[in-house]
Amino acid sequence: GAVVSQHPSRVICKSGTSVKIECRSLDFQATTMFWYRQFPKQSLMLMATSNEGSKATYEQGVEKDKFLINHASLTLSTLTVTSAHPEDSSFYICSARDFRGMNTEAFFGQGTRLTVV
Amino acid sequence: EDQVTQSPEALRLQEGESSSLNCSYTVSGLRGLFWYRQDPGKGPEFLFTLYSAGEEKEKERLKATLTKKESFLHITAPKPEDSATYLCAVQLNTDKLIFGTGTRLQVFP
Repeated sequence: GAVVSQHPSRVICKSGTSVKIECRSLDFQATTMFWYRQFPKQSLMLMATSNEGSKATYEQGVEKDKFLINHASLTLSTLTVTSAHPEDSSFYICSARDFRGMNTEAFFGQGTRLTVV
Repeated sequence: EDQVTQSPEALRLQEGESSSLNCSYTVSGLRGLFWYRQDPGKGPEFLFTLYSAGEEKEKERLKATLTKKESFLHITAPKPEDSATYLCAVQLNTDKLIFGTGTRLQVFP
């Protein structure tokens, strides 16, 4: 299947600082990528849809000024958690959909464990 | 309201003991249903996509089926390495995926 790479896999930062997470589609072009957040023993919650060359679409309740999304190329989307606080600590996962062929499976990155201290 | 429910929340099986995981959905428009496997601290790994009622797909010890209201993931003669959380997700006409809460499967030798 298609490969989606996410970096870093783990990051610890101090309260008030910003953290950038990268999501790359390695063997296909992704006009749309998705960012999810997952709390322990809970399912994935969609935060926003990242569209190449345009503004991201945020889900209800997600602060767009806090979670900045940039999708500057067909293979890269970034999520920046600005002015991070301990309550932002979570597991962040990106996904991209491969529209080649007949199927449209969504493939996921490895996830980023963010800890804000 | 679009909703995806998985059951059971947790399942403990003896190695070789076959069972089924359920994913029930109530959505306004279904484009596809996906099954994923997630290991602790990792992103979901794609398993299957099902698009229409009656469709079945198999991969090794796993078989996924779909009806108009639910999907089953059948695990035949599981092994300890099958231990993971299994997630199902429904793709809406809006292209979004709605995930269930998952079933945590533990297979003991």
